[in-house]
Amino acid sequence: EAGVVQSPRYKIIEKKQPVAFWCNPISGHNTLYWYLQNLGQGPELLIRYENEEAVDDSQLPKDRFSAERLKGVDSTLKIQPAELGDSAVYLCASSLLGRANTGELFFGEGSRLTVL
Amino acid sequence: LAKTTQPISMDSYEGQEVNITCSHNNIATNDYITWYQQFPSQGPRFIIQGYKTKVTNEVASLFIPADRKSSTLSLPRVSLSDTAVYYCLVVIYSSASKIIFGSGTRLSIRP
Repeated sequence: EAGVVQSPRYKIIEKKQPVAFWCNPISGHNTLYWYLQNLGQGPELLIRYENEEAVDDSQLPKDRFSAERLKGVDSTLKIQPAELGDSAVYLCASSLLGRANTGELFFGEGSRLTVL
Repeated sequence: LAKTTQPISMDSYEGQEVNITCSHNNIATNDYITWYQQFPSQGPRFIIQGYKTKVTNEVASLFIPADRKSSTLSLPRVSLSDTAVYYCLVVIYSSASKIIFGSGTRLSIRP
C-alpha cells in the first residue's frame, strides 16, 4: 500500500515569494491534516479536512497561508508571501475518520522549506 | 486538552529495555493515549495506542495504570535503529482534530 506522498521534498525560496506544497493521502483516507514542524519541536496542526471540508483551520495563519482539498483527495498548502519565519518542515497526514478519532495518523516524509 | 509531560531526552544501550514514561494528570474519560516515533528527516510514525491496562504489538508495549494519569512506553531490547524522538499524545476521542504533539523524548541508543 502506498503511503502519504508529499512534494516537493525540499524547497528554497527568497522571502516574499510564493510556495506551494502538495499532498496525496493514502487511498480511501477521508481525513487529511497539515502540520508545521520547526527544528527540535513537535508538529503543530495547521488545518484538518474531512473529505473536502476544512473542519478545523483555527491554527492556519490566513493572512498568508491557504489550503485546499478539491474533490476530497489530494491537497495543496500555499504560502504567499513567504517570510523568513516560515522556514520549517510541512507535514501532511491522513487517516480514516474512525482511526483519527483515537490518534492514528499516517504521515508523509514532509516538505522542508527554507526561506532566504 | 490534557497536557503531557515526558523526559526531554534519554540514553540507553543496545539490547536494553527502555521505558519512557509520560504523565497526563488531566486526562479525561474519553481520551486515548497514543505514541509516535520520529526519525530525522521523516514524518512521525504511529507506534501504539491504548485506553487502559496493557497493550502490546510487534514494536512496543504500552502500560497504563488504573488512574490513567500516566503511561509508559516500553521498547524491548533496543537497537541503534531505535534512536529517534518519541511523542506521547492524549487524544480527545470526541474530536479527531485535537491530535496535539508536544516536544517529545529524544532517545539515543549507544553500542
